[in-house]
Amino acid sequence: DAKTTQPTSMDCAEGRAANLPCNHSTISGNEYVYWYRQIHSQGPQYIIHGLKNNETNEMASLIITEDRKSSTLILPHATLRDTAVYYCIAGGNTGKLIFGQGTTLQVKP
Amino acid sequence: DAGITQSPRHKVTETGTPVTLRCHQTENHRYMYWYRQDPGHGLRLIHYSYGVKDTDKGEVSDGYSVSRSKTEDFLLTLESATSSQTSVYFCAISESSGGEKLFFGSGTQLSVL
Repeated sequence: DAKTTQPTSMDCAEGRAANLPCNHSTISGNEYVYWYRQIHSQGPQYIIHGLKNNETNEMASLIITEDRKSSTLILPHATLRDTAVYYCIAGGNTGKLIFGQGTTLQVKP
Repeated sequence: DAGITQSPRHKVTETGTPVTLRCHQTENHRYMYWYRQDPGHGLRLIHYSYGVKDTDKGEVSDGYSVSRSKTEDFLLTLESATSSQTSVYFCAISESSGGEKLFFGSGTQLSVL
């Protein structure tokens, strides 16, 4: 699976959009980009995933660059409950995804 | 939320004792996984199953065994627990092995003294 690089931490004001970047420059053609988050001591929660096209669901939007070497997760209106560790993962086999250290997002009032 | 139940939620045991953790799902998903999470290491795959009686090793399988006699249950056994196995253990499920969502349970906090 491709290695991903994320900032260690980010802050966001409540009600504003949170844009979380991820670099995956070695991603191969059949590998997806997944985003999960983990709220303190809970199990990781699936957010969104995509292969080539941008994706949107009720939780977030995923923007993947045309060369697929990077992506951005967008939480359109961050709330305090969005404070969590966000994992960006690039991989092809669902169960063998490598969860790295992620980005700790702190949403502030 | 996906129907995944892990038991027990917390366990304290002594070095050398056997321990079994249970993962139960009501989603009829084919794939089930056991991970451990430790500070500085992120989530690491221990074992996974791709069907009843079909299991395989993950990244950190030494000291662990698994069994899956029914679609809904996936057991993780520590035959002789060691202090290095103190960790938070998460079970996860998915419908298939490629491009699918992983759903995680709430975790089991295991302390080996």
